[in-house]
Amino acid sequence: GAVVSQHPSWVICKSGTSVKIECRSLDFQATTMFWYRQFPKQSLMLMATSNEGSKATYEQGVEKDKFLINHASLTLSTLTVTSAHPEDSSFYICSARRTSGTGASYEQYFGPGTRLTVT
Amino acid sequence: DQQVKQNSPSLSVQEGRISILNCDYTNSMFDYFLWYKKYPAEGPTFLISISSIKDKNEDGRFTVFLNKSAKHLSLHIVPSQPGDSAVYFCAANRGADGLTFGKGTHLIIQP
Repeated sequence: GAVVSQHPSWVICKSGTSVKIECRSLDFQATTMFWYRQFPKQSLMLMATSNEGSKATYEQGVEKDKFLINHASLTLSTLTVTSAHPEDSSFYICSARRTSGTGASYEQYFGPGTRLTVT
Repeated sequence: DQQVKQNSPSLSVQEGRISILNCDYTNSMFDYFLWYKKYPAEGPTFLISISSIKDKNEDGRFTVFLNKSAKHLSLHIVPSQPGDSAVYFCAANRGADGLTFGKGTHLIIQP
């Protein structure tokens, strides 16, 4: 299989606080994980590419100091939304690509998403 | 500038018939194309993909066709089933890059 989990599935936080979202590949190793954001009735937009053991690369318009990404191991990447504001409220989805061993491919497998609401 | 376009926001198909979802792209550097199925408040589920060196890939009821010269791909689902009702996203990338998604097509399968 290729299962990706995210935690938490939903979170409500107050403006100005920070929130950490975890993304785990449960049954495969992923040297590369991706973070996407989806606003209501919009498409998924790539925010950043998370590489194990190195700095994340961010898409144009995404503030790296606001969205901190850490890819600490081959199965875990975290996204921390710092000093969250209501406009950061969105559906955050991670994906992982099986990059080594049997079945290495370009398909990305997505987590179930995290609904962030900033009040 | 939308590099991946799905021009039909919704599509209604009768159960048992063929569903055809279309996707156009503008970036000729894309070399890999994927289709995902998504329900509200859930992550996308991978359906099928195709490399730019191929023009067809089939997996069960799902077939993806790629026309590179027209920068167009389509997903065929046959026969369509009620459980196929969902939003379908077309996505593309180059090499190991992150995906660029279209806006999605809401497929409704009518009994």
